[in-house]
This record gives sequence, C-alpha cells and structure tokens, in this order.
Amino acid sequence: DTGVSQDPRHKITKRGQNVTFRCDPISEHNRLYWYRQTLGQGPEFLTYFQNEAQLEKSRLLSDRFSAERPKGSFSTLEIQRTEQGDSAMYLCASSQGSGANVLTFGAGSRLTVL
Amino acid sequence: DAKTTQPNSMESNEEEPVHLPCNHSTISGTDYIHWYRQLPSQGPEYVIHGLTSNVNNRMASLAIAEDRKSSTLILHRATLRDAAVYYCILGPGNTPLVFGKGTRLSVIA
Repeated sequence: DTGVSQDPRHKITKRGQNVTFRCDPISEHNRLYWYRQTLGQGPEFLTYFQNEAQLEKSRLLSDRFSAERPKGSFSTLEIQRTEQGDSAMYLCASSQGSGANVLTFGAGSRLTVL
Repeated sequence: DAKTTQPNSMESNEEEPVHLPCNHSTISGTDYIHWYRQLPSQGPEYVIHGLTSNVNNRMASLAIAEDRKSSTLILHRATLRDAAVYYCILGPGNTPLVFGKGTRLSVIA
C-alpha cells in the first residue's frame, strides 16, 4: 500500500472559483478525515467519515464546503466560491477506527486563492 | 476536548537525547496520549501513543506520569531529520484528534 494519496498537491485559483480535492485512503481503513492547516497553526479538524457515512462536521465547515465518500473508499472535498481566507493546506488522514485510532496522513493539498 | 500544554519551541544538539514535555491535567480515564510530528512541507506523522504505561517503539519512547497528568516524548538520539513540530494530543480513540500548536524542535549540528 502506498499510504494516503492526495490530489492535486498544489492548486492556485481565483477568488470565486470552485475547487475539488481528492483523497485516496489506505485501502483497509474505514475512517477518513479532513483537516485544514494554515501557516503556524496545527491542523484543524473539518469532517470525518466512517465508511460512506459522514459522522461529524466541524463548525469551521461553512456551507461552501462539502465532502463526500460515496463508496466508502476515496473522498472528495469541494470548496465553492473560494475566498482568500480558504488558502490553506488541506490534509486527509485515514485510520482503522479501532483502539487508539492511529491516523495516517497524506502529504496534503495546498490551496492558494488569489 | 481535553487540553494539552506544550512549550512553543525547544532546541537540541545533534546526537543528544531530547525530552519533549506535555501537560494534560484534565485527562480522562479513557484518553490515549498521542504524539505526532510534522516535518516541513509534509503531513503529520504518527510517532507513538500510550494509555497508562510507558511505551517504546523504533522512533521514540513515551514516559507517562503515574497520575497521567503529564507525559514526555523521548527521542534517544536527535538527528537533523528530527527537526519538526511535535504535537501531544489526547483522545479516547473514537473521536477526531484535536491538534494544538505543538512544540517546534530545532536540532543543531
């Protein structure tokens, strides 16, 4: 297994455009998480899935953000009508969801909104 | 969410041991103590976790106080590749991990 893959690694967009990020978790992991990280801060939790069910969403996740995991495998995070404040690193992680629930993170997708 | 307190930054000489402290006085009985680290331009990486007893793995050791209100991550021999932000996080395992700002470790050659 190649670990958690995220695509694209970098995205530059103009304010008002829509962007979509994809995450491919470790295949036997049933939980998938999205985090956002801005410069100098720790990752902030956005949302997570158990299989295809979205179990929790942070208050940080505005109506412009939507995440899906349609078949319980890969996930997408879409941001509509991007704003400059959306510029951040978007991190995906997956886990088996048992015991201490150790997370494996991807390398992240860096978004720059001009 | 149970909170942790870590120093903002620490410095170590290469090839010397490093002790990274974490205070978590409000820890609950079901909280695991997790440590992750984040190297520059990478996603966080799991280091170690424990519940009550001290733990060792190939990356580090975790020493947990008897009252569980504090813990220490020990890197036995720091290398330049250990320069990273180290996060101490509490969690019961069935809820998402909440990251703080962590400790930025600098390693001096």
